[in-house]
Amino acid sequence: QVQLVQSGAEVKKPGASVKVSCKASGYSFTSYTMHWVRQAPGHRLEWMGWIDAGNGFTQYSQKFRDKVTITRDTSARTAYMELSSLTSEDTAVYYCAFKGHHYLGFGAFDYWGQGTLITVSS
Amino acid sequence: DIQMTQSPSSVSASVGDRVTITCQASQDINNYLNWYQQRPGKAPKLLIYDASNLVPEGPSRFSGSGSGTHFTFTISSLQPEDLATYYCQQYDDLPYTFGQGTKLEIK
Repeated sequence: QVQLVQSGAEVKKPGASVKVSCKASGYSFTSYTMHWVRQAPGHRLEWMGWIDAGNGFTQYSQKFRDKVTITRDTSARTAYMELSSLTSEDTAVYYCAFKGHHYLGFGAFDYWGQGTLITVSS
Repeated sequence: DIQMTQSPSSVSASVGDRVTITCQASQDINNYLNWYQQRPGKAPKLLIYDASNLVPEGPSRFSGSGSGTHFTFTISSLQPEDLATYYCQQYDDLPYTFGQGTKLEIK
């Protein structure tokens, strides 16, 4: 069955960077696009960007363009989301997600990782 | 960015009640509107896609309707397991944006 397993929670100091992984199984990794979504405490879900796992093309929300880098390792069937210059405002749960079923539109996410909590604190 | 506004922000209802949530887009989104359920401590789960289509594994008590800028999500007969926060999301234009969520509590 399709699974997305994300790396564990991390605590980082302001100014540091963090890289979250999302390991995929149960489907053809390179045939789909992986998205990243953020959920900060008390805030709505925010779409951050996506990567075409086949060719590596990325697209980012303007809000996160200077903050996030999304990459993938096809041999490891893993997508990554790196956050730089962390501040307390980056404290959130980060999810990877993708559209798995053909009948869905490009921006509908029917498979999600379990989420990774990133806490930024001095 | 397209702004998505949900109402109410929270609702409390009894088992068996009919519950309706609305979602207003700041511009026409061509029915590119999804609804998600997020149970406490869990990832969101897609329930309704393209405004009115229930995912195959979705319970039939969930439904969606609307077009253009105004959309509704309905639970026809509330069940205890429906305790969750519900979000609308548009994907007509980047960045994809979500509503602020509606927290559903069971009386």
